[in-house]
Amino acid sequence: DSGVTQTPKHLITATGQRVTLRCSPRSGDLSVYWYQQSLDQGLQFLIQYYNGEERAKGNILERFSAQQFPDLHSELNLSSLELGDSALYFCASSPREGADTQYFGPGTRLTVL
Amino acid sequence: GEDVEQSLFLSVREGDSSVINCTYTDSSSTYLYWYKQEPGAGLQLLTYIFSNMDMKQDQRLTVLLNKKDKHLSLRIADTQTGDSAIYFCAESMGSSNTGKLIFGQGTTLQVKP
Repeated sequence: DSGVTQTPKHLITATGQRVTLRCSPRSGDLSVYWYQQSLDQGLQFLIQYYNGEERAKGNILERFSAQQFPDLHSELNLSSLELGDSALYFCASSPREGADTQYFGPGTRLTVL
Repeated sequence: GEDVEQSLFLSVREGDSSVINCTYTDSSSTYLYWYKQEPGAGLQLLTYIFSNMDMKQDQRLTVLLNKKDKHLSLRIADTQTGDSAIYFCAESMGSSNTGKLIFGQGTTLQVKP
């Protein structure tokens, strides 16, 4: 158990819908990262928050957004869902802002029908 | 550019050593990581190495880093069937304000009894 929790574990929804994925980092970690794992794109970095502020953006679509709350949990919002958004979404956390060991949550498997 | 390359598949016999290789492109990488993913599971941090080190040993795992060739390897001694999984190499970009990870495609390790 990495200490990073993600909910829900599975999510099945229809095209055009909006979903919210939730992540709680390890106790004491200030950075939260979101990654997407799909068969065609592999594991890709989406976005990082540190102590409530956005720090880095990767290949994140404009239909996707995220935030980190004062209690340090984070949410990833996916809207206008398309079939191609079906993937495993991972959250990871680390203590610092920069390069550091990152521990991953169990992931949320999103299926868009 | 940001690119991490791994071979896709490795098959070994139980008890043999496994060597999984990885090449990366960013010479300013500060940390290099190995993660393990079992079927249907999340990413487990196996080990990591600082870019100023050549080697790191942790029980059955040995990581070798050749900075000149930008080559990283993971050796698993006495490979067991429980080691069957996908192994990801990742680099953390050399920046103080983000630790985003760039992952390779993953190497599937098959251990035959």
